Amino acid sequence: ETGVTQTPRHLVMGMTNKKSLKCEQHLGHNAMYWYKQSAKKPLELMFVYNFKEQTENNSVPSRFSPECPNSSHLFLHLHTLQPEDSALYLCASSQPGQINYGYTFGSGTRLTVV
Amino acid sequence: QKEVEQDPGPLSVPEGAIVSLNCTYSNSAFQYFMWYRQYSRKGPELLMYTYSSGNKEDGRFTAQVDKSSKYISLFIRDSQPSDSATYLCASSTGGFKTIFGAGTRLFVKA
Repeated sequence: ETGVTQTPRHLVMGMTNKKSLKCEQHLGHNAMYWYKQSAKKPLELMFVYNFKEQTENNSVPSRFSPECPNSSHLFLHLHTLQPEDSALYLCASSQPGQINYGYTFGSGTRLTVV
Repeated sequence: QKEVEQDPGPLSVPEGAIVSLNCTYSNSAFQYFMWYRQYSRKGPELLMYTYSSGNKEDGRFTAQVDKSSKYISLFIRDSQPSDSATYLCASSTGGFKTIFGAGTRLFVKA
């Protein structure tokens, strides 16, 4: 399988649940990203990993916890979320130094917090 | 002030029309400018990339950057129903932080 794959595609969770989002890329990229997309708002950068090291945490609440075990996999662990956290969570990858190729995004996980 | 501003639309045009999509940005350090296209239930995909000021053409699509006015444009000629999507402009200084606009939703009617 090529490109960036995100699972699950849809997730409904209660405010006291713990769940994880998974992202996998087979492009040989070394940078991976989590973005949050809410209706009529710009994509919000959450976390950046470069060669498995976190290089950016954009003031994200601690109820979101990222994990990058290797350059191909990225997780977002969720716990005690709020209804306003409901959004589309997008994973992306890129190759550092090749900005002209942009980011490759997954199809996202549609998260609903009830 | 948002770093990248984009009118969310929606914009509705008849098939064959020329479409003009626009963004403004505030950070003078931005050097890289991108347009992404996002279809419903999909992630954004890179459509056009431009470095610094100037025009870039790819088929029916033309990207234009005017750094003096901090204005980014995307033109679509002979628009098709398959062009119906959300178009996001994005800017970067070249690091790991790309700033996106909110996206403009485009409908092309057959």
